Amino acid sequence: KQEVTQIPAALSVPEGENLVLNCSFTDSAIYNLQWFRQDPGKGLTSLLLIQSSQREQTSGRLNASLDKSSGRSTLYIAASQPGDSATYLCAVPSGNTPLVFGKGTRLSVIA
Amino acid sequence: DAGVIQSPRHEVTEMGQEVTLRCKPISGHNSLFWYRQTMMRGLELLIYFNNNVPIDDSGMPEDRFSAKMPNASFSTLKIQPSEPRDSAVYFCASRLTSGGTDTQYFGPGTRLTVL
Repeated sequence: KQEVTQIPAALSVPEGENLVLNCSFTDSAIYNLQWFRQDPGKGLTSLLLIQSSQREQTSGRLNASLDKSSGRSTLYIAASQPGDSATYLCAVPSGNTPLVFGKGTRLSVIA
Repeated sequence: DAGVIQSPRHEVTEMGQEVTLRCKPISGHNSLFWYRQTMMRGLELLIYFNNNVPIDDSGMPEDRFSAKMPNASFSTLKIQPSEPRDSAVYFCASRLTSGGTDTQYFGPGTRLTVL
């Protein structure tokens, strides 16, 4: 059974700092990995989707990397802004389950 | 596009009552997912449909939970009878499934409180 772990559970950084969020998964037989953002009281918004054949994917100040063999992914946020404050979740497909989610990292960027 | 629409946004009910949550997926999407989110367990898949057909309901916690998708533009999740431990945020998501690699689009969720 696929298990997804995200560390740290919460993170607080000053504005402008670069930061890395971590995601690990137990079953490396995945065909993609996704990072989502969730704002308080809102649904999830897809940020990046990395196919298993890719090593990284970039969107603006966000860069996600994937190392299938070690069962790890990182989400790098450059020059963080207060508007980046949210919970970030990673998710991978597992067997018949389209997505298995980690519990997320709650990020606070302090102005 | 209006996105995935869920109703109600908030529901407060008493233990033993029937609760019905509703979802309208994005037009043209052929897969629909129901999730439950709690602090303790995070986001869990309850059931999903492809082309209105339930594919995997192994995440449905008990027989008290049931879901239907009578057509491509509407789905319901029903809890009968409800219990306090059902209190959570319930999300609906939809996807245009082609190669299995497409992203899901989430609704805003229904916050359910069972007293």
